[in-house]
Amino acid sequence: EDKVVQSPLSLVVHEGDTVTLNCSYEVTNFRSLLWYKQEKKAPTFLFMLTSSGIEKKSGRLSSILDKKELFSILNITATQTGDSAVYLCAVEATETSGSRLTFGEGTQLTVNP
Amino acid sequence: NAGVTQTPKFRILKIGQSMTLQCAQDMNHNYMYWYRQDPGMGLKLIYYSVGAGITDKGEVPNGYNVSRSTTEDFPLRLELAAPSQTSVYFCASSYLSNEQFFGPGTRLTVL
Repeated sequence: EDKVVQSPLSLVVHEGDTVTLNCSYEVTNFRSLLWYKQEKKAPTFLFMLTSSGIEKKSGRLSSILDKKELFSILNITATQTGDSAVYLCAVEATETSGSRLTFGEGTQLTVNP
Repeated sequence: NAGVTQTPKFRILKIGQSMTLQCAQDMNHNYMYWYRQDPGMGLKLIYYSVGAGITDKGEVPNGYNVSRSTTEDFPLRLELAAPSQTSVYFCASSYLSNEQFFGPGTRLTVL
Protein backbone atom coordinates (compact mmCIF):
# COMPACT_ATOMS: atom_id res chain seq x y z
CA GLU A 1 0.00 0.00 0.00
CA ASP A 2 1.33 3.43 -0.95
CA LYS A 3 2.12 5.70 1.95
CA VAL A 4 2.86 9.44 2.19
CA VAL A 5 3.80 10.97 5.55
CA GLN A 6 4.12 14.68 6.15
CA SER A 7 5.72 16.43 9.10
CA PRO A 8 5.16 18.40 11.12
CA LEU A 9 1.37 18.16 11.13
CA SER A 10 1.15 21.77 12.25
CA LEU A 11 3.51 24.68 12.57
CA VAL A 12 3.12 28.21 13.94
CA VAL A 13 5.70 30.84 13.01
CA HIS A 14 6.09 34.62 12.89
CA GLU A 15 6.21 36.67 9.73
CA GLY A 16 9.70 36.70 8.27
CA ASP A 17 10.63 33.24 9.54
CA THR A 18 11.79 30.48 7.20
CA VAL A 19 10.01 27.14 7.36
CA THR A 20 10.77 23.66 6.03
CA LEU A 21 7.99 21.16 5.48
CA ASN A 22 8.79 17.48 5.06
CA CYS A 23 7.26 14.71 3.01
CA SER A 24 8.43 11.10 3.02
CA TYR A 25 6.92 8.35 0.94
CA GLU A 26 6.83 4.65 0.24
CA VAL A 27 5.34 3.80 -3.12
CA THR A 28 5.78 1.16 -5.75
CA ASN A 29 6.56 2.49 -9.23
CA PHE A 30 7.17 6.12 -8.24
CA ARG A 31 6.61 8.63 -11.01
CA SER A 32 6.41 12.12 -9.48
CA LEU A 33 5.84 14.07 -6.27
CA LEU A 34 3.60 17.11 -6.09
CA TRP A 35 3.06 19.90 -3.60
CA TYR A 36 -0.26 21.70 -3.20
CA LYS A 37 -1.40 24.67 -1.11
CA GLN A 38 -4.87 24.51 0.35
CA GLU A 39 -6.52 27.52 1.92
CA LYS A 40 -10.19 27.32 2.84
CA LYS A 41 -11.09 25.84 -0.53
CA ALA A 42 -9.73 23.44 -3.17
CA PRO A 43 -6.00 22.69 -3.32
CA THR A 44 -3.90 24.67 -5.79
CA PHE A 45 -0.85 23.26 -7.47
CA LEU A 46 2.63 24.45 -6.42
CA PHE A 47 5.33 22.12 -7.77
CA MET A 48 5.85 18.82 -9.50
CA LEU A 49 9.16 17.00 -8.95
CA THR A 50 10.34 14.02 -10.92
CA SER A 51 14.13 14.11 -10.72
CA SER A 52 16.37 13.90 -7.69
CA GLY A 53 18.40 16.88 -6.63
CA ILE A 54 16.84 19.47 -8.91
CA GLU A 55 15.36 22.39 -7.01
CA LYS A 56 12.13 23.93 -8.19
CA LYS A 57 11.61 27.56 -7.23
CA SER A 58 8.71 29.97 -7.35
CA GLY A 59 9.31 33.24 -5.56
CA ARG A 60 9.84 32.52 -1.87
CA LEU A 61 8.90 28.85 -2.24
CA SER A 62 11.26 26.11 -3.28
CA SER A 63 11.22 22.34 -3.22
CA ILE A 64 13.62 19.49 -3.77
CA LEU A 65 13.27 15.74 -4.10
CA ASP A 66 15.57 12.97 -2.90
CA LYS A 67 14.57 9.77 -4.66
CA LYS A 68 17.24 7.72 -2.91
CA GLU A 69 16.06 8.64 0.59
CA LEU A 70 12.41 8.88 -0.53
CA PHE A 71 11.58 12.34 0.69
CA SER A 72 10.95 15.90 -0.39
CA ILE A 73 11.08 19.23 1.39
CA LEU A 74 9.19 22.44 0.75
CA ASN A 75 10.92 25.62 1.91
CA ILE A 76 9.23 28.95 2.40
CA THR A 77 11.49 31.92 3.15
CA ALA A 78 10.44 35.29 4.61
CA THR A 79 7.00 33.93 5.43
CA GLN A 80 3.94 36.17 5.20
CA THR A 81 0.50 35.84 6.76
CA GLY A 82 -0.82 34.94 3.31
CA ASP A 83 1.27 31.77 3.43
CA SER A 84 -1.01 30.42 6.16
CA ALA A 85 -2.59 27.30 4.67
CA VAL A 86 -2.44 23.53 4.64
CA TYR A 87 0.37 22.24 2.44
CA LEU A 88 -0.29 18.88 0.88
CA CYS A 89 2.27 16.49 -0.55
CA ALA A 90 1.12 13.88 -3.06
CA VAL A 91 3.00 11.07 -4.76
CA GLU A 92 2.12 9.69 -8.17
CA ALA A 93 2.66 6.00 -8.82
CA THR A 94 2.12 4.19 -12.07
CA GLU A 95 -0.28 1.26 -12.37
CA THR A 96 -1.35 -1.02 -15.20
CA SER A 97 -4.47 1.10 -15.81
CA GLY A 98 -2.59 4.40 -15.60
CA SER A 99 -1.46 6.07 -12.40
CA ARG A 100 -2.87 7.87 -9.41
CA LEU A 101 -1.94 10.17 -6.57
CA THR A 102 -1.70 9.36 -2.89
CA PHE A 103 -1.91 12.37 -0.58
CA GLY A 104 -0.32 12.95 2.79
CA GLU A 105 -2.36 14.39 5.65
CA GLY A 106 -0.93 17.84 5.15
CA THR A 107 0.96 20.37 7.26
CA GLN A 108 -1.11 23.20 8.71
CA LEU A 109 1.08 26.32 8.60
CA THR A 110 0.04 29.40 10.55
CA VAL A 111 2.03 32.60 10.06
CA ASN A 112 1.37 35.21 12.73
CA PRO A 113 2.05 38.93 12.15
CA ASN B 1 -12.80 27.83 -19.59
CA ALA B 2 -14.83 27.14 -16.46
CA GLY B 3 -12.28 24.53 -15.37
CA VAL B 4 -13.69 21.93 -12.98
CA THR B 5 -17.19 22.63 -11.70
CA GLN B 6 -19.05 20.82 -8.94
CA THR B 7 -22.65 20.93 -7.82
CA PRO B 8 -24.11 21.30 -5.30
CA LYS B 9 -21.84 23.39 -3.05
CA PHE B 10 -23.58 22.21 0.12
CA ARG B 11 -26.02 19.44 0.93
CA ILE B 12 -27.56 17.93 4.03
CA LEU B 13 -28.85 14.35 3.76
CA LYS B 14 -30.70 12.10 6.13
CA ILE B 15 -29.33 8.64 6.85
CA GLY B 16 -30.35 6.26 4.08
CA GLN B 17 -31.01 8.92 1.45
CA SER B 18 -29.30 8.88 -1.92
CA MET B 19 -27.75 11.62 -3.98
CA THR B 20 -25.44 12.31 -6.89
CA LEU B 21 -22.59 14.78 -6.72
CA GLN B 22 -21.99 16.30 -10.13
CA CYS B 23 -18.59 17.07 -11.60
CA ALA B 24 -17.80 18.48 -15.02
CA GLN B 25 -14.67 19.76 -16.72
CA ASP B 26 -14.26 21.61 -19.99
CA MET B 27 -10.51 21.13 -20.46
CA ASN B 28 -10.80 17.87 -22.41
CA HIS B 29 -8.91 16.05 -19.68
CA ASN B 30 -8.85 12.28 -19.82
CA TYR B 31 -8.24 11.72 -16.11
CA MET B 32 -10.84 12.54 -13.49
CA TYR B 33 -10.89 11.84 -9.75
CA TRP B 34 -13.11 11.99 -6.71
CA TYR B 35 -11.60 12.67 -3.29
CA ARG B 36 -13.02 13.14 0.14
CA GLN B 37 -11.40 15.28 2.78
CA ASP B 38 -12.37 14.89 6.41
CA PRO B 39 -11.64 17.73 8.87
CA GLY B 40 -7.92 18.09 9.53
CA MET B 41 -7.06 15.24 7.19
CA GLY B 42 -5.51 14.84 3.76
CA LEU B 43 -7.34 13.90 0.62
CA LYS B 44 -8.41 10.29 0.16
CA LEU B 45 -9.12 8.96 -3.31
CA ILE B 46 -12.57 7.43 -3.74
CA TYR B 47 -12.69 6.59 -7.46
CA TYR B 48 -10.86 7.68 -10.55
CA SER B 49 -11.24 7.40 -14.29
CA VAL B 50 -8.62 7.37 -17.03
CA GLY B 51 -11.11 7.99 -19.82
CA ALA B 52 -14.74 7.71 -20.85
CA GLY B 53 -16.11 4.27 -20.02
CA ILE B 54 -13.23 3.40 -17.66
CA THR B 55 -13.42 3.73 -13.88
CA ASP B 56 -11.43 2.22 -11.04
CA LYS B 57 -11.56 2.12 -7.26
CA GLY B 58 -9.35 4.29 -5.14
CA GLU B 59 -8.50 4.03 -1.48
CA VAL B 60 -12.01 4.43 0.03
CA PRO B 61 -14.63 3.32 -2.54
CA ASN B 62 -17.15 1.64 -0.22
CA GLY B 63 -20.54 3.32 -0.21
CA TYR B 64 -19.95 5.12 -3.52
CA ASN B 65 -20.40 4.51 -7.22
CA VAL B 66 -19.27 6.40 -10.29
CA SER B 67 -19.83 6.40 -14.02
CA ARG B 68 -18.00 8.08 -16.90
CA SER B 69 -20.17 8.10 -19.98
CA THR B 70 -18.54 11.24 -21.43
CA THR B 71 -15.11 12.86 -21.18
CA GLU B 72 -16.60 15.91 -19.51
CA ASP B 73 -18.71 14.43 -16.71
CA PHE B 74 -17.84 12.22 -13.74
CA PRO B 75 -20.76 11.97 -11.28
CA LEU B 76 -20.36 10.37 -7.84
CA ARG B 77 -23.33 8.48 -6.43
CA LEU B 78 -24.09 7.83 -2.76
CA GLU B 79 -26.79 5.16 -2.50
CA LEU B 80 -27.47 4.88 1.24
CA ALA B 81 -25.98 7.86 3.01
CA ALA B 82 -24.31 7.23 6.36
CA PRO B 83 -22.93 9.71 8.93
CA SER B 84 -19.42 8.45 8.11
CA GLN B 85 -19.84 10.01 4.67
CA THR B 86 -20.01 13.51 6.13
CA SER B 87 -17.07 15.18 4.43
CA VAL B 88 -15.96 17.65 1.79
CA TYR B 89 -15.84 16.05 -1.64
CA PHE B 90 -13.44 17.30 -4.29
CA CYS B 91 -13.49 16.40 -7.94
CA ALA B 92 -10.31 16.87 -9.96
CA SER B 93 -9.15 16.37 -13.51
CA SER B 94 -5.83 16.21 -15.31
CA TYR B 95 -4.55 15.95 -18.86
CA LEU B 96 -1.84 13.56 -17.87
CA SER B 97 -1.94 11.81 -14.54
CA ASN B 98 -0.06 14.25 -12.37
CA GLU B 99 -0.94 17.95 -12.20
CA GLN B 100 -4.56 17.86 -11.14
CA PHE B 101 -7.01 20.72 -11.27
CA PHE B 102 -9.56 20.74 -8.48
CA GLY B 103 -13.17 21.79 -8.34
CA PRO B 104 -14.43 24.02 -5.50
CA GLY B 105 -15.75 21.10 -3.45
CA THR B 106 -19.10 19.91 -2.13
CA ARG B 107 -19.68 20.00 1.62
CA LEU B 108 -21.93 17.07 2.56
CA THR B 109 -23.47 16.48 5.97
CA VAL B 110 -25.35 13.28 6.76
CA LEU B 111 -27.59 13.46 9.83
